[in-house]
Amino acid sequence: DAGITQSPRHKVTETGTPVTLRCHQTENHRYMYWYRQDPGHGLRLIHYSYGVKDTDKGEVSDGYSVSRSKTEDFLLTLESATSSQTSVYFCAISLPGTGSHEQYFGPGTRLTVT
Amino acid sequence: QQQVKQSPQSLIVQKGGISIINCAYENTAFDYFPWYQQFPGKGPALLIAIRPDVSEKKEGRFTISFNKSAKQFSLHIMDSQPGDSATYFCAASNTNAGKSTFGDGTTLTVKP
Repeated sequence: DAGITQSPRHKVTETGTPVTLRCHQTENHRYMYWYRQDPGHGLRLIHYSYGVKDTDKGEVSDGYSVSRSKTEDFLLTLESATSSQTSVYFCAISLPGTGSHEQYFGPGTRLTVT
Repeated sequence: QQQVKQSPQSLIVQKGGISIINCAYENTAFDYFPWYQQFPGKGPALLIAIRPDVSEKKEGRFTISFNKSAKQFSLHIMDSQPGDSATYFCAASNTNAGKSTFGDGTTLTVKP
């Protein structure tokens, strides 16, 4: 399973509150990604990281920020949660050296914003 | 602009039949095309992938067909089984940029 864990696995929060989701990997993979999955929209990239403190925006980055201070942890923060951010969030890594960037996903975090 | 278009949105197949899912892409910078399988409550898992220098790749009952000139690729599942019932995503990757773009997914139901 590429040693990826996500926490929390489920969270219910209120509109306007900050939320941080954590992705942890145990195998020193360089590339890490945050996606959201919504019905009819597949997987959409929020932010990704290509090294410690090296991050970049994806296609749906508005309202989200990320940080990566250690190789093993990639944090996704919703500064002020909105109902439109209710979704399932997946973290992924890609394996180095393959030149393919095939991705391996964590188990997901189901976030509900009320 | 949706860079990877996937069809159909849902598919029902009888056990033993062939399931076919199609994807089309726009960006010629894409150079790697994986398919992922996702079961309810789980993260997507890599199923099979192809590079644009080959037209077909087969792994067991799963085959990718790739048409570079048409910018289309498809997943064929032969002898479909109820255990294949899942959501399937195609993706197109720009390996230089380290990013992938996913299709919207196809929910496959294989009836016994």
